[in-house]
Amino acid sequence: GEDVEQSLFLSVREGDSSVINCTYTDSSSTYLYWYKQEPGAGLQLLTYIFSNMDMKQDQRLTVLLNKKDKHLSLRIADTQTGDSAIYFCAESSTGANNLFFGTGTRLTVIP
Amino acid sequence: DSGVTQTPKHLITATGQRVTLRCSPRSGDLSVYWYQQSLDQGLQFLIQYYNGEERAKGNILERFSAQQFPDLHSELNLSSLELGDSALYFCASSVEAGYGSGYTFGSGTRLTVV
Repeated sequence: GEDVEQSLFLSVREGDSSVINCTYTDSSSTYLYWYKQEPGAGLQLLTYIFSNMDMKQDQRLTVLLNKKDKHLSLRIADTQTGDSAIYFCAESSTGANNLFFGTGTRLTVIP
Repeated sequence: DSGVTQTPKHLITATGQRVTLRCSPRSGDLSVYWYQQSLDQGLQFLIQYYNGEERAKGNILERFSAQQFPDLHSELNLSSLELGDSALYFCASSVEAGYGSGYTFGSGTRLTVV
């Protein structure tokens, strides 16, 4: 079955860039997503990328996709304390009924 | 407010009991998904409904069941509760039955079994 992997923890200093990585196994993945979960809250869709794209930028967020290596990354520029959260990578395939989520990466921003 | 409403927000109950969690999807969304999030197992997909019909099943225990009603709200029933069922239960909704649209999540129901 589909497998989506992420490292569990990342710590960065305020103002630095954060890079959260994700690898997936399903070669038929069509859409790849990044979700953010703040403490005590549900998951919030941050951004997504279609599999025929290499990069997508949205303000401080940059998503890079290496389809050959099945590697997805989320870069957060000028990381702020409010960015501290768990970030989930997810993928779906054409015709699939649901998203497959990674384990989530807990980002801690040190003031 | 994401538009997906889950009730109750918190639930404390004893082992062996039965509870019902409720979800109202975002207006216009036909698909509802249930997820369980525990500390040691991350986000686990339980079940999906689309326009009243079960569409996909994940790691859902036989003690758990769900349904989606004609008004599209959904309920997740958990019975013979065990300590290990303590978790956050999320509902999400989407327009389509599948890909591309992403999901909108509710804020979850925190279930504590004592």
